[in-house]
Amino acid sequence: GPKVLQIPSHQIIDMGQMVTLNCDPVSNHLYFYWYKQILGQQMEFLVNFYNGKVMEKSKLFKDQFSVERPDGSYFTLKIQPTALEDSAVYFCASSLGGAETLYFGSGTRLTVL
Amino acid sequence: GDSVTQTEGQVTVSESKSLIINCTYSATSIAYPNLFWYVRYPGEGLQLLLKVITAGQKGSSRGFEATYNKETTSFHLQKASVQESDSAVYYCALSDRANSAGNKLTFGIGTRVLVRP
Repeated sequence: GPKVLQIPSHQIIDMGQMVTLNCDPVSNHLYFYWYKQILGQQMEFLVNFYNGKVMEKSKLFKDQFSVERPDGSYFTLKIQPTALEDSAVYFCASSLGGAETLYFGSGTRLTVL
Repeated sequence: GDSVTQTEGQVTVSESKSLIINCTYSATSIAYPNLFWYVRYPGEGLQLLLKVITAGQKGSSRGFEATYNKETTSFHLQKASVQESDSAVYYCALSDRANSAGNKLTFGIGTRVLVRP
């Protein structure tokens, strides 16, 4: 089936530095999402993105977070600066339409030291 | 806010035996949410197993079934006879069907299923 690719699978970074998580969504999909899962907790919605704009974001989407999809390439989540509590697995997803099935990547485990 | 509660931790079951994973939901912002079961096989991304958008209906896929019960606000996942290949983590989830901004899912914590030969 359709694949969403996330690279790298694991990223380690020092607190205060910037990190960009990359997601290669399904090629004809129009809606993009990021979810966050802290170890031992539920996967939680961060943000969704359509037509070059953030449509909706949760309270977990701090001011230090930003998303973009420049020139229809990777969908990225940037955290600047990172904090210890940003350590989690971040899952990217995409869907063809707003009410369509989400396809998820395998996640990027972010460790902030 | 909305929430999903499911069987926690790991469920171990022998091959060919039956499996049930409990899921109940609380949807404070929506009367009738869409309900989903997602599954993550080892090394893979989360994928949709089945979904039901109408109360009272049953969804099925790969031998799994779940019925949308609005009276008990439940969406339990069942399989009559599991196989080793069913070993995975299963997630119950809901979404607001009226949300036009995209499919924002609320997930349960996930249930790891280990099928022993």
